Amino acid sequence: DTGVSQNPRHKITKRGQNVTFRCDPISEHNRLYWYRQTLGQGPEFLTYFQNEAQLEKSRLLSDRFSAERPKGSFSTLEIQRTEQGDSAMYLCASSLPRYQIGGLQETQYFGPGTRLLVL
Amino acid sequence: RKEVEQDPGPFNVPEGATVAFNCTYSNSASQSFFWYRQDCRKEPKLLMSVYSSGNEDGRFTAQLNRASQYISLLIRDSKLSDSATYLCVVNGGRAGTALIFGKGTTLSVSS
Repeated sequence: DTGVSQNPRHKITKRGQNVTFRCDPISEHNRLYWYRQTLGQGPEFLTYFQNEAQLEKSRLLSDRFSAERPKGSFSTLEIQRTEQGDSAMYLCASSLPRYQIGGLQETQYFGPGTRLLVL
Repeated sequence: RKEVEQDPGPFNVPEGATVAFNCTYSNSASQSFFWYRQDCRKEPKLLMSVYSSGNEDGRFTAQLNRASQYISLLIRDSKLSDSATYLCVVNGGRAGTALIFGKGTTLSVSS
């Protein structure tokens, strides 16, 4: 399977614990995104990387959240001191923007997500 | 005002029906527009990009009106397999690369 993969697929933790999720993008993709989705809502942007550089963080990414992409390949998202409000699906997406007629075209491909439940 | 707003739904239609979804966006600087499909407890998958001239892919037609900041999706001859949540998406964020999603509209096609 050459798509985006995420591990673990499910995580149950107690409030106050730290959790770490991993995302492996499609191999040639240089951009990697993290999103969060809660029930009944669309995904919300958290942060993105171009290669190993973290270029943007949304205001949703509190200081308890940290993301890395150390070698420009896989990425990790860590949540420290989890809270019940962190319960959500965490989605990773990757892309390889290409210049085509009309400008830069980019399609983001999503992984299956990690479903987090904080008790 | 939310950045992307969609019809609340749900839409319950019989097989063979034509159904239309509408969406408005608030950022006039948005340049990229998409419809994604999301099945229950699965990841979003790109259904189609939306271009200014409008575009069609089989039974699916997408339209964009930049002046009104309005996007639509028309599904003709609905199939049971079209049952899903349809997410209207525009680009955004400070760098313009993030995807900004609407809440989604749920479609249920019945036989």
